Amino acid sequence: DTAVSQTPKYLVTQMGNDKSIKCEQNLGHDTMYWYKQDSKKFLKIMFSYNNKELIINETVPNRFSPKSPDKAHLNLHINSLELGDSAVYFCASSQSIRQGALIDTQYFGPGTRLTVL
Amino acid sequence: DQQVKQNSPSLSVQEGRISILNCDYTNSMFDYFLWYKKYPAEGPTFLISISSIKDKNEDGRFTVFLNKSAKHLSLHIVPSQPGDSAVYFCAATPGAGSYQLTFGKGTKLSVIP
Repeated sequence: DTAVSQTPKYLVTQMGNDKSIKCEQNLGHDTMYWYKQDSKKFLKIMFSYNNKELIINETVPNRFSPKSPDKAHLNLHINSLELGDSAVYFCASSQSIRQGALIDTQYFGPGTRLTVL
Repeated sequence: DQQVKQNSPSLSVQEGRISILNCDYTNSMFDYFLWYKKYPAEGPTFLISISSIKDKNEDGRFTVFLNKSAKHLSLHIVPSQPGDSAVYFCAATPGAGSYQLTFGKGTKLSVIP
């Protein structure tokens, strides 16, 4: 029973298309994240939502829009796909961070490999 | 600007020997550090962490050492097993109250039977 799941696992599409990647976690966590792992293998955070509220929004083109319908889901919608968007996208989740508490472990999904042709 | 650096892209070790993976950081605000392990076609999984108030944390075969003055940490795996073959990511965060992990580029460990 997968804790953090992503669909699809692979996504191949043409430049200019709009696509979505879905993420679901069944861990009861309050915080969810999207990371991008580019060709240089860096894992970089894109967005984070806590209780459906956006709390981290790194320098990401506004073609990328996260949507959190509820605490268990954080979807990533990408408009007008470009060649440079090709990467592996990882979803993750963790418990809420409370002041004074140690950082909580982030649990990652298996990744979605996006290829833009 | 790489705030977390893993300068060795790969490492090969014989089974049963010690594996030492290194990580350097530049941001003095980081005070909590984590190691994640990643197998191909899977997401990273948490391995071990250390707070800046400690210089060592041990969990079974895995030990993380932190040298704050040198802004350096290392992960020791003893004894190394073939199943340890994976990519290991070092990550850092400003700590309590922060949701943001900054990852290194990863080191691919190959444990040779």
